[in-house]
Amino acid sequence: AQSVTQLGSHVSVSEGALVLLRCNYSSSVPPYLFWYVQYPNQGLQLLLKYTTGATLVKGINGFEAEFKKSETSFHLTKPSAHMSDAAEYFCAVSDGNQGGKLIFGQGTELSVKP
Amino acid sequence: DAGVTQSPTHLIKTRGQQVTLRCSPKSGHDTVSWYQQALGQGPQFIFQYYEEEERQRGNFPDRFSGHQFPNYSSELNVNALLLGDSALYLCASSTLTSSTNTGELFFGEGSRLTVL
Repeated sequence: AQSVTQLGSHVSVSEGALVLLRCNYSSSVPPYLFWYVQYPNQGLQLLLKYTTGATLVKGINGFEAEFKKSETSFHLTKPSAHMSDAAEYFCAVSDGNQGGKLIFGQGTELSVKP
Repeated sequence: DAGVTQSPTHLIKTRGQQVTLRCSPKSGHDTVSWYQQALGQGPQFIFQYYEEEERQRGNFPDRFSGHQFPNYSSELNVNALLLGDSALYLCASSTLTSSTNTGELFFGEGSRLTVL
C-alpha cells in the first residue's frame, strides 16, 4: 500500500527566507508524486509533479521539488518566500495506474512572517 | 475553459438526513473522483467514476454512493448523515483514456457540509 508522510504540520518562515516542506512516501511500484497547494476556502491547485525522467522538477510560483528514490523523499523548496505563499501544502502519491486515486499526506501549513 | 465546478458550495444538514452533492468535470475529462477532507486533514479518496460506473472505492461505508451521467458529470450521495460526515467534499476530474495520463487531478473548490 502507498502512503505519504509530511514532516511538520506547521512551518513558519520569514519573507525572503528559504522554504523547505518535507515529504516522504512509501510505494511498492515506481511512484508518481505531486505537490498541491490549498488556499483558505478553496480547492487544491497543482504546484508540480514527478512522473518519470528528470528528478528535479520545477513548478509554478518558483517552487521546485527533487525526487530522491534512495531516500523515498520528495521535498518541496522555494529559495525566497513571499507573503502570498502562505497556504496549506499537500504531498500526494499515486502508482500511475489507478487514474485518479491519490494518497495525500496530512498537509503542512506554511506561514510567512513579514 | 471552465474548470471543475461543484454545487452547492455550503450546506447544513442534521443527523440522519441525506445529502446530494454535484460536480461538473473540466472540459475534455471523462473521469470523476470524490474526496473527503475533514478539518485539518488531507483529502481522503471516496470513489472514482468512469463510463458511468464506480471504478475504484476507498474505505468508506455504503452510506456513500455516487453516480456519473453520460455527460461525465457526477453526484455524491450520503445517507443517514453522522456528525463525523462534516467535511469539505472535493470533486476532481481527469482523463483515464489519455495516453499521457499522469494521474494529475484537477480539483473543484469543494462543497462544505456541516452536519448538526
